[in-house]
Amino acid sequence: SSELTQDPAVSVALGQTVRITCQGDSLRTYYASWYQQKPGQAPVLVIYGENDRPSGIPDRFSGSSSGNIASLTITGAQAEDEADYYCNSRDSSGSFVFGTGTTVTVL
Amino acid sequence: QVHLQESGPGLVKPSQTLSLTCTVSGDSISSGNFYWSWIRQHPGKGLEWIGYIHSSGSAYYSPSLKSRVTISVDTSKTQFSLKLTSVTAADTAVYYCARGRTGYEYNYWGQGTLVTVSS
Repeated sequence: SSELTQDPAVSVALGQTVRITCQGDSLRTYYASWYQQKPGQAPVLVIYGENDRPSGIPDRFSGSSSGNIASLTITGAQAEDEADYYCNSRDSSGSFVFGTGTTVTVL
Repeated sequence: QVHLQESGPGLVKPSQTLSLTCTVSGDSISSGNFYWSWIRQHPGKGLEWIGYIHSSGSAYYSPSLKSRVTISVDTSKTQFSLKLTSVTAADTAVYYCARGRTGYEYNYWGQGTLVTVSS
């Protein structure tokens, strides 16, 4: 079972801001990366490190961390942001693990 | 541009060995400081990290799968493979290969391949 816990689902009105959280003890030590996955597609890295975005990822995606919680914020959500989002980091044993995933619905 | 493509049987019988290959273009597996990994996703479920082989040749596996998994690099250095032994229906999943900057920052992914374990 995953040691990184996410809320199963969140919704956001078009153009508003949504924060997706990832909770785990290992996050006190390690950053989380974040992936967006749309149906039938491979995941896409949207945030890594302290708050870095790969080339081509819109700046409405940002990351932060406090204590044992990492967060992905989408500021000004767009219809195309509707997807599943996964965090990814190390676990308490030093291995690697994905979060349980959050489905984001844009209303 | 780095491109990864998974290939292998889409159907494997229970108790047999699942074997997949990831063909890499636009990069060499043995160069740089990258983590060449396998990740799977059970139908309708979340992502599960399987393991990686580093550009240096060292491999690291998920503790939950370690006894059944081997990840290796082809001598051509353009392919790496996954072998998962003694499969059961619980191993039915879409299998992805990916390249990571670290063990948890994957910026290049294959499209994924569905492997069904069934007799």
